[in-house]
Amino acid sequence: DTEVTQTPKHLVMGMTNKKSLKCEQHMGHRAMYWYKQKAKKPPELMFVYSYEKLSINESVPSRFSPECPNSSLLNLHLHALQPEDSALYLCASSQDYGGLMNTEAFFGQGTRLTVV
Amino acid sequence: AQKITQTQPGMFVQEKEAVTLDCTYDTSDPSYGLFWYKQPSSGEMIFLIYQGSYDQQNATEGRYSLNFQKARKSANLVISASQLGDSAMYFCAMRGGLYNFNKFYFGSGTKLNVKP
Repeated sequence: DTEVTQTPKHLVMGMTNKKSLKCEQHMGHRAMYWYKQKAKKPPELMFVYSYEKLSINESVPSRFSPECPNSSLLNLHLHALQPEDSALYLCASSQDYGGLMNTEAFFGQGTRLTVV
Repeated sequence: AQKITQTQPGMFVQEKEAVTLDCTYDTSDPSYGLFWYKQPSSGEMIFLIYQGSYDQQNATEGRYSLNFQKARKSANLVISASQLGDSAMYFCAMRGGLYNFNKFYFGSGTKLNVKP
């Protein structure tokens, strides 16, 4: 199983709503990532979890709150978002062998988020 | 800091011909990994090929090959015998060195259109 599964695929939410994005992988990967991608732009790194601990936060606003309940699951909790947060949110995972470069990141299909 | 540059926003290629997508990078780390991803309009990032900084030979994966010129800091993707299904966005990425190995940095991407 080389899949990263993201749910939901599409999400429309109001600026006062609270919602969560979910990501799951069963490849035994111990690094998991959230990326944000605007149209016609490259993915921008938001958060990295390594062995279920948050290791990188790229100065993301607090209205985005990540959570890693176990080694297979990654959530992104959304609260009080702005219309400019509308984007494709991609989850990814990779092996984390402490310095080895030769392991690619596997990506999910993403959640297309629209904030109204 | 690591930086990836893709200077071709868009490329056209005739079906069955070869095409080269350019990528240059900048890093002070001696150990790094270079990756190419394909992103169709569906949104999923699909891993294509990997090149390590210490690899002596250029990587190949089926119709994909990587022209790695370390001294020039370039890692161009060559797609042979283009197919209509190759039409997509292509991103060059780097896994960020010994102290940032869980960061994948992406270039701005190249939109490839394969003409019948």
